Amino acid sequence: NAGVTQTPKFQVLKTGQSMTLQCAQDMNHEYMSWYRQDPGMGLRLIHYSVGAGITDQGEVPNGYNVSRSTTEDFPLRLLSAAPSQTSVYFCASSGGSGANVLTFGAGSRLTVL
Amino acid sequence: DQQVKQNSPSLSVQEGRISILNCDYTNSMFDYFLWYKKYPAEGPTFLISISSIKDKNEDGRFTVFLNKSAKHLSLHIVPSQPGDSAVYFCAAAVIYNQGGKLIFGQGTELSVKP
Repeated sequence: NAGVTQTPKFQVLKTGQSMTLQCAQDMNHEYMSWYRQDPGMGLRLIHYSVGAGITDQGEVPNGYNVSRSTTEDFPLRLLSAAPSQTSVYFCASSGGSGANVLTFGAGSRLTVL
Repeated sequence: DQQVKQNSPSLSVQEGRISILNCDYTNSMFDYFLWYKKYPAEGPTFLISISSIKDKNEDGRFTVFLNKSAKHLSLHIVPSQPGDSAVYFCAAAVIYNQGGKLIFGQGTELSVKP
């Protein structure tokens, strides 16, 4: 039972490059989210999805795109990376009777030079 | 504007004593609150939660108290153990049981000293 799997664990980008952080869950959860963690800022919601084909913006969506073509996958795209996007990114999912209880992945540490 | 605030970045407690972590919120529409624990290089893990219709929820050594009039919640850990050393986040949700959209505080780093 893998839970929430994020890849890659570490990534270094140059300013202006694009990349996709992958997130997959095997719990058949309908809800999925992306958060970023920065020192002194806690966890801030970037985008979330309430089901396949449905996404919405969170607190800090600028510079990020998401799509949800399947229940299992929720990739986060950075179209033109900026140093301000250096952070640790967490994907999470939830569903069923415990929909408020998010299960998090182990995180992806991104550095933008 | 931070809707969920943890004003103490760190807390140090002696093993066996009580740890009290505090959290304040501004949005009166929040109706479900959670605490998460995070170790370095790992994702946050769920610890305990409370609905807005309750004022207390207990699970073993962990108790969460909610004061709706003050828009304040706290997490009590009794007795504290060295393994409890971690960053603790409080989180809030507007719509009970609609997932995906938790708002988190900044976190409090708890250090429990032997």
